[in-house]
Amino acid sequence: GQQLNQSPQSMFIQEGEDVSMNCTSSSIFNTWLWYKQDPGEGPVLLIALYKAGELTSNGRLTAQFGITRKDSFLNISASIPSDVGIYFCAGPQTNTGNQFYFGTGTSLTVIP
Amino acid sequence: KAGVTQTPRYLIKTRGQQVTLSCSPISGHRSVSWYQQTPGQGLQFLFEYFSETQRNKGNFPGRFSGRQFSNSRSEMNVSTLELGDSALYLCASTNPQGRRTQYFGPGTRLTVL
Repeated sequence: GQQLNQSPQSMFIQEGEDVSMNCTSSSIFNTWLWYKQDPGEGPVLLIALYKAGELTSNGRLTAQFGITRKDSFLNISASIPSDVGIYFCAGPQTNTGNQFYFGTGTSLTVIP
Repeated sequence: KAGVTQTPRYLIKTRGQQVTLSCSPISGHRSVSWYQQTPGQGLQFLFEYFSETQRNKGNFPGRFSGRQFSNSRSEMNVSTLELGDSALYLCASTNPQGRRTQYFGPGTRLTVL
């Protein structure tokens, strides 16, 4: 099925650094969701975006809904060791019965 | 509000057996989706149930089936297990109206020996 293109695939950063990742699609989305998944656990919703151009923060996390509706960005400021995990973008597509599609994930490693 | 719950959390089966996984969505959510997650394939959509009816289906063989009960709880069944069915199976429930947002359970780790 359709997958969202997420980049980078993996990141290795020093504690305290800022992180940026993005998600792109060839189709328009009306909702963008960002999740974090720890090994062996289910994804946890971090931020939900519902409007083009919307910028939403959740603590050190900030996400933006791209103006074209075909992309979204997630930034993490001042990373800490517990930020380690896999980050996924996702969104429902109305032309497929609102089925949700997921990015391929960005694996984040924070070096203390 | 309680989150999405899945049972069991871990399961070990042998090839040829069948397995049933259970999912209870967030109270008030009538849509339940199932996903298979493996290291090489990422999150793969299995199917979605809404009000006891299958609404969407992914590209999985007929050995994978599901159902939903009137209380919105859902079960997923895999028959004639194969080694390649070893994966984390995730259930997600979606809010009933307005802005669609999906919430995941902790998953069931299935190992097929």
